Amino acid sequence: AQSVSQHNHHVILSEAASLELGCNYSYGGTVNLFWYVQYPGQHLQLLLKYFSGDPLVKGIKGFEAEFIKSKFSFNLRKPSVQWSDTAEYFCAVKPAGGSYIPTFGRGTSLIVHP
Amino acid sequence: GAGVSQSPSNKVTEKGKDVELRCDPISGHTALYWYRQSLGQGLEFLIYFQGNSAPDKSGLPSDRFSAERTGGSVSTLTIQRTQQEDSAVYLCASSLGGDRVAGYTFGSGTRLTVV
Repeated sequence: AQSVSQHNHHVILSEAASLELGCNYSYGGTVNLFWYVQYPGQHLQLLLKYFSGDPLVKGIKGFEAEFIKSKFSFNLRKPSVQWSDTAEYFCAVKPAGGSYIPTFGRGTSLIVHP
Repeated sequence: GAGVSQSPSNKVTEKGKDVELRCDPISGHTALYWYRQSLGQGLEFLIYFQGNSAPDKSGLPSDRFSAERTGGSVSTLTIQRTQQEDSAVYLCASSLGGDRVAGYTFGSGTRLTVV
């Protein structure tokens, strides 16, 4: 079975700082990868996903993530965060193809100070 | 509907009582998932339904937990003889099934508090 590790549990930044949230997974085969965001009081929303092709994936709200297969990583980045990015971020992995269940990481809580 | 609908949004119950949580997935989504979100614990997989196949119950924490999905649509998660450790947010998600999955749409969750 696959597993997901998000090393940063809590991140505090000031506005305009750059962001990188780590996500590593363990699974030997081809994977689909996702980042979800949960704003305070709201439901989980898809930020971006990787299925195949260009390993640098662009998502909503200026977020991007890079899939590095050799490192089993899918780190989330944003060059300049805003106060409105304060939220919980979850990385998820699913074996590609077929009916598999996505596994989510524990989440990273991001607080952005204005 | 336009999104995944869960009810109730909040439920407070006494220890030992049974509760039922409902999920109404997006029309046409054949896959349905239940997760449990506890503070600082991320999302814990509970059960997965795919079309008419037998559900994957491998994540259910005990035999007090059960779920069904009627007519390939609405799902009900039942917790019998609730315990305080069952307190959490129960999330439902749906997606297109199998190779067509492109992402998961989550409901707003049911916050269960066992007192």
